[in-house]
Amino acid sequence: EVQLVESGGGLVQPGGSLKLSCTASGFNFSTYNMNWVRQAPGKGLEWVSFVSSSSGARYYADSVKGRFTISRDNAKKLLYLQMNGLRDEDTAVYYCARMYSKAFDIWGQGTLVTVSS
Amino acid sequence: QTVVTQEPSFSVSPGGTVTLTCGLSSGSVSTTYYPSWYQQTPGQAPRTLIYSTNTRSSGVPDRFSGSILGNKAALTITGAQADDESDYYCVLYMGSGIWVFGGGTKLTVL
Repeated sequence: EVQLVESGGGLVQPGGSLKLSCTASGFNFSTYNMNWVRQAPGKGLEWVSFVSSSSGARYYADSVKGRFTISRDNAKKLLYLQMNGLRDEDTAVYYCARMYSKAFDIWGQGTLVTVSS
Repeated sequence: QTVVTQEPSFSVSPGGTVTLTCGLSSGSVSTTYYPSWYQQTPGQAPRTLIYSTNTRSSGVPDRFSGSILGNKAALTITGAQADDESDYYCVLYMGSGIWVFGGGTKLTVL
């Protein structure tokens, strides 16, 4: 079964850091571009970051540029999101999503990040 | 900054047909934006319905269809069912590795 499972969410104070992980299974992870998408409570979806299959290209939404870093370990089938300088407005469910034909075709179940003092 | 626009809400009768749209605050949506559509119910992860304008994702029934209508991308649901009541999101590829989601449409079936 093709599956993505996120982990690493939790409660963090403003200005703090957190690293999310996404474990892939059931497909050849190393051949797919991957993304992080988030959803603040009661709000819509927001694309956060993209990494190409070989990590040669990485892109970020303006709202997280300079604070978040996307990375991956193809040997371990893991996708990461290192989040630094967290703000209240970063509170959201974070989804990892596989990319196919410039669309998000497989989604994880999400992990909740809460930024609060 | 370009904004992707969607109707905030829409209503359809059971068995009816509804078309949701996805536009740009400036300019027209074309296939080069690779429009895709997602369905989400509360507490659940999004489900992919349509990608590359009009290609149905695996397992999506053919009563869901995508197209370009005028200057917008469109998602049409024919023969609406009660469990189609969900939030629907479109996303457009802006180029240079940037994707932008619309604000979503809350569809009510009643």
